[in-house]
Amino acid sequence: NAGVMQNPRHLVRRRGQEARLRCSPMKGHSHVYWYRQLPEEGLKFMVYLQKENIIDESGMPKERFSAEFPKEGPSILRIQQVVRGDSAAYFCASSPSDQPQHFGDGTRLSIL
Amino acid sequence: GESVGLHLPTLSVQEGDNSIINCAYSNSASDYFIWYKQESGKGPQFIIDIRSNMDKRQGQRVTVLLNKTVKHLSLQIAATQPGDSAVYFCAEMVSGAGSYQLTFGKGTKLSVIP
Repeated sequence: NAGVMQNPRHLVRRRGQEARLRCSPMKGHSHVYWYRQLPEEGLKFMVYLQKENIIDESGMPKERFSAEFPKEGPSILRIQQVVRGDSAAYFCASSPSDQPQHFGDGTRLSIL
Repeated sequence: GESVGLHLPTLSVQEGDNSIINCAYSNSASDYFIWYKQESGKGPQFIIDIRSNMDKRQGQRVTVLLNKTVKHLSLQIAATQPGDSAVYFCAEMVSGAGSYQLTFGKGTKLSVIP
């Protein structure tokens, strides 16, 4: 049973470009979560989605960041007009209902 | 500020000894807790969880203790092995709040000395 799949594993963008991070949840999981991790820190919650619905986006920056989990296909975290401060590891987790959440190995985003 | 924090940022133990990693939380409404292990370059790996109606839960070589009175959580690893070297995070959640977001502490780095 495949785990949570994230791609790409590494992504390099120049300031002002767009970054798209993809996450395929574990089979049978309908809940998806995105977290951001800075070096030497814990993960910070960004957004919680179910199919076609954003349930909680209280951790998302108000501008430039958006997330979706369409009926078909992976969940997408989109960052427009990236800035240096967006450099971080972005982790996706999924769960069948409430818990526990199982994580992917993340996308490391670097902004030049 | 952080709702969940750890007492020690680093911990070194001899192979074969027991390890104890501590965590303090401040949100008295939290009723679900998870310990995760994160190895370099990887995502957090679920170790064990506990709900607030319990004060102890055991897994394979790991035990989690919850003290709600002082808002303290600990992870005990028996017979620590080199493969246990990683950063350990505790995370908390308020279930029934409409969202299942986890709040993570900063982590404790466990180093096992062979």
